[in-house]
Amino acid sequence: DAGVTQSPTHLIKTRGQQVTLRCSPKSGHDTVSWYQQALGQGPQFIFQYYEEEERQRGNFPDRFSGHQFPNYSSELNVNALLLGDSALYLCASSRDRTYEQYFGPGTRLTVT
Amino acid sequence: RKEVEQDPGPFNVPEGATVAFNCTYSNSASQSFFWYRQDCRKEPKLLMSVYSSGNEDGRFTAQLNRASQYISLLIRDSKLSDSATYLCVVLASGGSYIPTFGRGTSLIVHP
Repeated sequence: DAGVTQSPTHLIKTRGQQVTLRCSPKSGHDTVSWYQQALGQGPQFIFQYYEEEERQRGNFPDRFSGHQFPNYSSELNVNALLLGDSALYLCASSRDRTYEQYFGPGTRLTVT
Repeated sequence: RKEVEQDPGPFNVPEGATVAFNCTYSNSASQSFFWYRQDCRKEPKLLMSVYSSGNEDGRFTAQLNRASQYISLLIRDSKLSDSATYLCVVLASGGSYIPTFGRGTSLIVHP
């Protein structure tokens, strides 16, 4: 049973560029959430996707956008990258309305 | 006041010790609570949900105190492999699904 997968594992970008991160949920899960985790901090909720719609959003600017595909996989896009966007980006999947989430290994983004 | 607060530690304990962490939350309408474990440079993994009546899973016991708005995690007979960061998560009620994580408490179990 494949768990949550994310790609790429590491990424280095320059300020002002755009980035796309990808996530495939655990088998049987239909809900995907994205988090940003800075060093020494807990994960911060970016948004959640269900049925290809953004269902909830945390306190992140519009530079952060996402998408969910019919197969439940998801993308996170970040435009106009800032140095402060450097972090570990985690994807978590769950079944709808259950709150027990399973996390992927994350994508470590460095903005220079 | 932060929505979810944890003592970052580190808690440094010998093998076999009992250790407890608390996590306080500010939203009295919070309904769902969890503990996750995160190893260094790895993803968080669900350790246990926290139920109103308290719950136990082997050496781990989680409790909820609604009156004082905190949850706790007790680890008995600590193992070296318990060394990790323990994150608490709180979800608000009313259909809003915005999970709020604490910054985590670091546990180091030494021989």
